[in-house]
Amino acid sequence: GENVEQHPSTLSVQEGDSAVIKCTYSDSASNYFPWYKQELGKRPQLIIDIRSNVGEKKDQRIAVTLNKTAKHFSLHITETQPEDSAVYFCAAWGGGADGLTFGKGTHLIIQP
Amino acid sequence: EAGVAQSPRYKIIEKRQSVAFWCNPISGHATLYWYQQILGQGPKLLIQFQNNGVVDDSQLPKDRFSAERLKGVDSTLKIQPAKLEDSAVYLCASSLDSSANEQFFGPGTRLTVL
Repeated sequence: GENVEQHPSTLSVQEGDSAVIKCTYSDSASNYFPWYKQELGKRPQLIIDIRSNVGEKKDQRIAVTLNKTAKHFSLHITETQPEDSAVYFCAAWGGGADGLTFGKGTHLIIQP
Repeated sequence: EAGVAQSPRYKIIEKRQSVAFWCNPISGHATLYWYQQILGQGPKLLIQFQNNGVVDDSQLPKDRFSAERLKGVDSTLKIQPAKLEDSAVYLCASSLDSSANEQFFGPGTRLTVL
């Protein structure tokens, strides 16, 4: 089955700086890679996703890059704000019955 | 559009007791998922339904966990008997179908087993 590794587990950045979270996956057949944000005690919510036929996708301050050859994808948040503080999960979808496999999460802390 | 509904939000039981969770997905979503999220970890898929049929339950501990979606809409997840290590948040999610689409999560049920 799919295995997703996520790093770092905790990331602390100054407000206004950029944050980068990296994930690797094992199954070369995976073709959909969403990123979820989960605030304390709340449900995970999709913030951006990318499909395997695209190398990069951007939505305002958030971008995701995908390197299929290396089997890794990254989340980039620019001009970080206090409300960006949360746990971020990457995931990979292998197709059909495999469902989504999630990474262990990155706790992003924005320092004022 | 109403989101995924789950109940109860919190449940505290003693080990060896039984517990059941309920989920109502977004209207029109054919695919329903149950995830287990242990504190400090990512969600782990337990079971996936497509309408009223099971697509994948390979990670469901079938000796104690069961789930059903009889009419292809609401779903229940049951644990009998519960163990200490079952303490977690149980998340229900739904999506339009079983292809690579956004999954919408419910608020979860936080289970504590004493």
